[in-house]
Amino acid sequence: QVQLQESGPGLVKPSQTLSLTCTASGGSISSVDHYCTWIRQPAGKGLEWIGRIYFSGRTNYNPSLRGRVTISVDTSKNQLSLRLNSVTAADTAVYYCARGSTVYGVETSDWFDPWGQGTLVTVSS
Amino acid sequence: QSVLTQPPSASGTPGQRVTISCSGSNSNIGSNTVSWYQQVPGTAPKLLMYSNSQRPSGVPDRFSGSKSGTSASLAISGLQSKDEADYYCATWDDSLNGLVFGGGTKLTVL
Repeated sequence: QVQLQESGPGLVKPSQTLSLTCTASGGSISSVDHYCTWIRQPAGKGLEWIGRIYFSGRTNYNPSLRGRVTISVDTSKNQLSLRLNSVTAADTAVYYCARGSTVYGVETSDWFDPWGQGTLVTVSS
Repeated sequence: QSVLTQPPSASGTPGQRVTISCSGSNSNIGSNTVSWYQQVPGTAPKLLMYSNSQRPSGVPDRFSGSKSGTSASLAISGLQSKDEADYYCATWDDSLNGLVFGGGTKLTVL
């Protein structure tokens, strides 16, 4: 059973770069059957998908964040990374990593399981 | 403003059946399947349903999902106090080329 754990600075200054890591234990963070994804949740608000990276290295990003976000994976360390640059207070949120699955057919199925416990990042000077 | 529309709140008494809706469009729910997540306050979301109506191992059969056209629903029967949580629907949007979530529904067990 794969378990995921996010880590990184809890406080980032405006205009700087937010960097987070997600470490997997009990299994591989990425495989041909799964991808890795980041999701965030501002306090008291809903979930926002940030982006994902496949085993092949292919990425998809939320159009609203494209240009500021980079997701990468280091399979040797079993770690997923997130970099979000030029942050503002609007980027303050709990950030979750999760393992994703996709099944392609007449309709595409995507789902996230498991999730990490999340890490709070506050953007403030 | 979420791409998928959910009622902000729902409620029921123990033992009752409640339904939470998720409304989208042809580019998202109309073209792809829906997953559902349960989030107990202060904890990470947990997968509740995938591919519209498939329950992961460990999810009780009191939970069921369905989809019709551009809308999906999550039904909870035999409501229990531990079901009190926020529920989110999600799917891929072909036009946005991204994964979208509903705004979430806060379920209260009276």
